[in-house]
Amino acid sequence: GAGVSQSPSNKVTEKGKDVELRCDPISGHTALYWYRQSLGQGLEFLIYFQGNSAPDKSGLPSDRFSAERTGGSVSTLTIQRTQQEDSAVYLCASSQESYEQYFGPGTRLTVT
Amino acid sequence: DAKTTQPNSMESNEEEPVHLPCNHSTISGTDYIHWYRQLPSQGPEYVIHGLTSNVNNRMASLAIAEDRKSSTLILHRATLRDAAVYYCILRDVQETSGSRLTFGEGTQLTVNP
Repeated sequence: GAGVSQSPSNKVTEKGKDVELRCDPISGHTALYWYRQSLGQGLEFLIYFQGNSAPDKSGLPSDRFSAERTGGSVSTLTIQRTQQEDSAVYLCASSQESYEQYFGPGTRLTVT
Repeated sequence: DAKTTQPNSMESNEEEPVHLPCNHSTISGTDYIHWYRQLPSQGPEYVIHGLTSNVNNRMASLAIAEDRKSSTLILHRATLRDAAVYYCILRDVQETSGSRLTFGEGTQLTVNP
């Protein structure tokens, strides 16, 4: 079956611009996660959606970052006024409840 | 959060078994031990998880010490495709925050032909 998909695969943007990253989770998965991985760094949790519950936003690094999950399916991560330190691979994962997470291929964001 | 300690790197030869160790001396009774791996230029991939008993699946085996303070991921016959960073992660699924994965540095496994 189809796995987690993310778009775009690569995004180059100028400092100060806003970007939107999209995640399509596996159908039927109730939980959706966003992580990021900076060059040479480990994976860092950003935000977690579970069903209709309020999202866990505790990993968002600043108020420039926000995410939505519409209809319990597709999610969009928005970064406003991008900075060079936002350059990273942004990974989305989904799971059924708290079971194993399935990751997408990621979006590589480069802020110039 | 309970933390894990893994060697930074390990090497193996193709078609030989690989034992990847993980120490988690502060593990709590409700922490599950999860292993993920990340192949080059890909997102992480679930490998296996367990609580107390040893576990086997098509990818690997997980051996958990009796006191649960350590565990070992076993790849029975390493292939070149197994070259990846392997992460040992504790998840307390009784806590809301336990749903997230907290990745450490992991072990970079190199498989020699």
